[in-house]
Amino acid sequence: SQQGEEDPQALSIQEGENATMNCSYKTSINNLQWYRQNSGRGLVHLILIRSNEREKHSGRLRVTLDTSKKSSSLLITASRAADTASYFCATNDMRFGAGTRLTVKP
Amino acid sequence: NAGVTQTPKFQVLKTGQSMTLQCAQDMNHNSMYWYRQDPGMGLRLIYYSASEGTTDKGEVPNGYNVSRLNKREFSLRLESAAPSQTSVYFCASSEALRGGAFGETQYFGPGTRLLVL
Repeated sequence: SQQGEEDPQALSIQEGENATMNCSYKTSINNLQWYRQNSGRGLVHLILIRSNEREKHSGRLRVTLDTSKKSSSLLITASRAADTASYFCATNDMRFGAGTRLTVKP
Repeated sequence: NAGVTQTPKFQVLKTGQSMTLQCAQDMNHNSMYWYRQDPGMGLRLIYYSASEGTTDKGEVPNGYNVSRLNKREFSLRLESAAPSQTSVYFCASSEALRGGAFGETQYFGPGTRLLVL
């Protein structure tokens, strides 16, 4: 069974808009990671947030973690066409969800 | 640094044939992993190696074997391929500083696309 589950399954926005995707998980975690996968390529690590952290930033990315709700969100601000990819969350035992497919239209 | 490399990039097998997927990393990482990704799905862990000389089953180990040849290399073997093993296979590595196999950033290879007819 998959530990992390992303929502929505697909998201289409215009360049310049913000994109928010969510991840829910079932059991207690030590940390949660977000990865990006461009079509046909391997996964690239974006951010790791630990269970004692509530928010973390990296460039245009902002990740929040709510351990009481067992959920995390990834916000991409001022999106670009190059952000078009699938985004996955993974819990510390590396169980991945099915991902959110983000399309950013130029 | 090449990071994580995988060979071959693409392979077609007939049912019952065997093959070995190769993976190597040049980052001096302790832990290595094999995943499969089916269309429209996330990755599922097949096997992992927390350190040189150890291997453990992941979520979907049936039909596969692995060998941690040395610190750099971790191979995945299909002894008798089945159509259900058609998938994209990813190898990854991690520094795993805290002594466990998980919980740190993983670095992924480009993948091997396997088609079993």
